[in-house]
Amino acid sequence: SQQGEEDPQALSIQEGENATMNCSYKTSINNLQWYRQNSGRGLVHLILIRSNEREKHSGRLRVTLDTSKKSSSLLITASRAADTASYFCAPERNSGNTPLVFGKGTRLSVIA
Amino acid sequence: EAQVTQNPRYLITVTGKKLTVTCSQNMNHEYMSWYRQDPGLGLRQIYYSMNVEVTDKGDVPEGYKVSRKEKRNFPLILESPSPNQTSLYFCASSSPRTGGGYGYTFGSGTRLTVV
Repeated sequence: SQQGEEDPQALSIQEGENATMNCSYKTSINNLQWYRQNSGRGLVHLILIRSNEREKHSGRLRVTLDTSKKSSSLLITASRAADTASYFCAPERNSGNTPLVFGKGTRLSVIA
Repeated sequence: EAQVTQNPRYLITVTGKKLTVTCSQNMNHEYMSWYRQDPGLGLRQIYYSMNVEVTDKGDVPEGYKVSRKEKRNFPLILESPSPNQTSLYFCASSSPRTGGGYGYTFGSGTRLTVV
């Protein structure tokens, strides 16, 4: 399956702490994408990391990719209450003929 | 503003009454897709379309129809809705995927209740 599996299912932290979410997948990929979903709203694309990249940053987000372990992690530094959301990873398998498959996500709660 | 627009945002209907959820994007995206999201099951793909007049089934297509007569629109049709189609629905689109790696743009969602 192309689907990524996020871990943990739920995470609760204090404001200001760092949050780390993991993603594992089973097939070879071209890239892996992370999305955020605020409760009941549409997913928002956060960041994409290509298979030949090991780390990528965007603001307070840091994504790593280990293709040998078929895993990725999303780190949110100095978390804020507004970061409370569900986070999904989506491995993209090939040059674009296979739709993205989303897993169940990690539910992050940041407590003020 | 670049966006995917779904309508309606909320809908309550009765079993068997045909309904259409509209989806429109203004980004000239070739790829469009419908998902449903249910508690504990995550997002599941219903149908997708790689281009005009090209549609394919996703993981849960039963009870749904789609059409792609123009690039910007991708309506989701429930010919005879049943209570198990009560769900939160999302439309998404993406730019041409020749090299892969294009993020999806999602609509705000349609919360459908079938009684």
